[in-house]
Amino acid sequence: RKEVEQDPGPFNVPEGATVAFNCTYSNSASQSFFWYRQDCRKEPKLLMSVYSSGNEDGRFTAQLNRASQYISLLIRDSKLSDSATYLCVVNMGNQGGKLIFGQGTELSVKP
Amino acid sequence: NAGVTQTPKFQVLKTGQSMTLQCAQDMNHNSMYWYRQDPGMGLRLIYYSASEGTTDKGEVPNGYNVSRLNKREFSLRLESAAPSQTSVYFCASPGTSGSFEQFFGPGTRLTVL
Repeated sequence: RKEVEQDPGPFNVPEGATVAFNCTYSNSASQSFFWYRQDCRKEPKLLMSVYSSGNEDGRFTAQLNRASQYISLLIRDSKLSDSATYLCVVNMGNQGGKLIFGQGTELSVKP
Repeated sequence: NAGVTQTPKFQVLKTGQSMTLQCAQDMNHNSMYWYRQDPGMGLRLIYYSASEGTTDKGEVPNGYNVSRLNKREFSLRLESAAPSQTSVYFCASPGTSGSFEQFFGPGTRLTVL
């Protein structure tokens, strides 16, 4: 089992749609969780951290379920500019700052 | 304040050639990381440095060496490049001291023929 697994892509959605990405992780000692966005041929950029209470940033909502070791990202009213690959990222628990990356889910928002 | 910088942006090598990828951060952080990213795969950790003067292997260290020259710089060296090392290489450093999120340099696209 991969340490961090994401929905296989690609997701092709029309503008204005709501899209949800799912991610599971295997290390129960993990403490920190993130969603990164990566545009084609660019570096990954932090989209948002994920907290146990859930958190929202504009059209983006992240949820964490520690019991199920599950993370989600919801994008509402999707825009053309949301087209990118979304990476689920988890820290390696008792190994400090080391991060494990999911393989990414590609999103394509069409007019 | 550039964050994390990497050089070069692109490089083409022949099998057996050597090269060093440079990374620098101006955030005064202790930790620095080198990753590689291949199509269809997540980023994989090659080496990391928790502080100046220390380095440790990550998930895929074979074929690479690193040097933490000072707090600011962390270089990755390929002594004898192989086609399997064709990849995009990213250097990263934490966002704030003690935090787990990482910020990435723009990457080096390396092709080994």
